[in-house]
Amino acid sequence: DAGVIQSPRHEVTEMGQEVTLRCKPISGHNSLFWYRQTMMRGLELLIYFNNNVPIDDSGMPEDRFSAKMPNASFSTLKIQPSEPRDSAVYFCASSGLHSRNSPLHFGNGTRLTVT
Amino acid sequence: DQQVKQNSPSLSVQEGRISILNCDYTNSMFDYFLWYKKYPAEGPTFLISISSIKDKNEDGRFTVFLNKSAKHLSLHIVPSQPGDSAVYFCAASGDGGNNRKLIWGLGTSLAVNP
Repeated sequence: DAGVIQSPRHEVTEMGQEVTLRCKPISGHNSLFWYRQTMMRGLELLIYFNNNVPIDDSGMPEDRFSAKMPNASFSTLKIQPSEPRDSAVYFCASSGLHSRNSPLHFGNGTRLTVT
Repeated sequence: DQQVKQNSPSLSVQEGRISILNCDYTNSMFDYFLWYKKYPAEGPTFLISISSIKDKNEDGRFTVFLNKSAKHLSLHIVPSQPGDSAVYFCAASGDGGNNRKLIWGLGTSLAVNP
């Protein structure tokens, strides 16, 4: 049973470059979440989708961040242009029910370093 | 402004003993709480949860206690095992508006020594 799959695992890029993070949720799950983890702020919800529709993007820090979910099995988080302060671990998670009591299943994250 | 606080960044316990991880929250609107465990280079995994209508929930070696008046919850692991060594996150939901938005603590790193 494949879990949430994220790629790449590590990304190192220079300031100003475009970065695209990818996520494949667990098959059959209809809610997908993008989180960012930093030492200072911990885990922060950036955006979440239900049935491929963005429900809440209030956590997206700036217009430089955008997320899409073109179908039920794929989502991207894009940063353009990237800045050093975007360096963090980005997690994707999915859940099977649109219920706040439904646990999240996380991928192993993408560690982004912007120099 | 941390609405969910885990004041102990780390905890060290001997194998076989009890581990107690604490979590405090400030928002009285929170009514559902979860604990996740995270190993290095992996994503968090769900461990146990509790609704505010309860004061205790147990699952095997893991028990979560909720004290609503004190806005405090704790996770007890008995007996602790070396494989329990991980970072434990407390999370809360129910502050209105977006029900799927969890507010997370910064985590407590647990080391269980053989």
